[in-house]
Amino acid sequence: EVQLVESGGDLVHPGGSLRLSCATSGFTFNYFAMNWVRQVPGKGLEWISYISSASSTIYYTDSVKGRFTISRDYATNSVYLQMNNLRAEDTALYYCVRDGPPRALDVWGQGTMVTVSS
Amino acid sequence: DIQLTQSPSFLSASIGDRVTITCRASQGILTYLAWYQQKPGKAPKLLIYAASTLQDGVPPNFSGSGSGTEFTLTISSLQPEDFATYYCQQLYSYPWTFGHGTKVDMK
Repeated sequence: EVQLVESGGDLVHPGGSLRLSCATSGFTFNYFAMNWVRQVPGKGLEWISYISSASSTIYYTDSVKGRFTISRDYATNSVYLQMNNLRAEDTALYYCVRDGPPRALDVWGQGTMVTVSS
Repeated sequence: DIQLTQSPSFLSASIGDRVTITCRASQGILTYLAWYQQKPGKAPKLLIYAASTLQDGVPPNFSGSGSGTEFTLTISSLQPEDFATYYCQQLYSYPWTFGHGTKVDMK
């Protein structure tokens, strides 16, 4: 069974840092690109970052560029999101999401909650 | 960035109704559009990709159509398990963007 399990969400002060992890299983990790998508509770979805299967291509949405870093570890089949200089507007549920084929976000984790508040 | 405008934002419907949700892109995206269903407290679920291709396991009462800038998601006969929020997403260019969602609830 394909599974994505996020962890690392927490309550953090503005300006603080957090590292989210996504443990994957049930598929050949090397073959798939991965993404992070976030959702403010009760609101819509926001794609924030992409990393290609070989880590050669990385994209970020503008609001996190320079503050967040996506990476992946092929030894542990995991994806990470290092989040620095956190702001209140980063408060959201963060999903780890597999990139198809097909060209779509075809497998989602259950999410990990990040709260940025003083 | 490509903006996606979904309409309506809310929709009240009854079991057996035909439901149509529209997604308009601010520029042409060919058929690089996906639809997702999200139920309360759950992660989104992929329903349709490439504008009209049903993901494995998705019931055939769901269908998608469109290309360029105008797309539709149709539920041919609404079932109790279909009450949810639906999002479109463009995968034509980064940053990938989502529509604001359409909540389908019971009339």
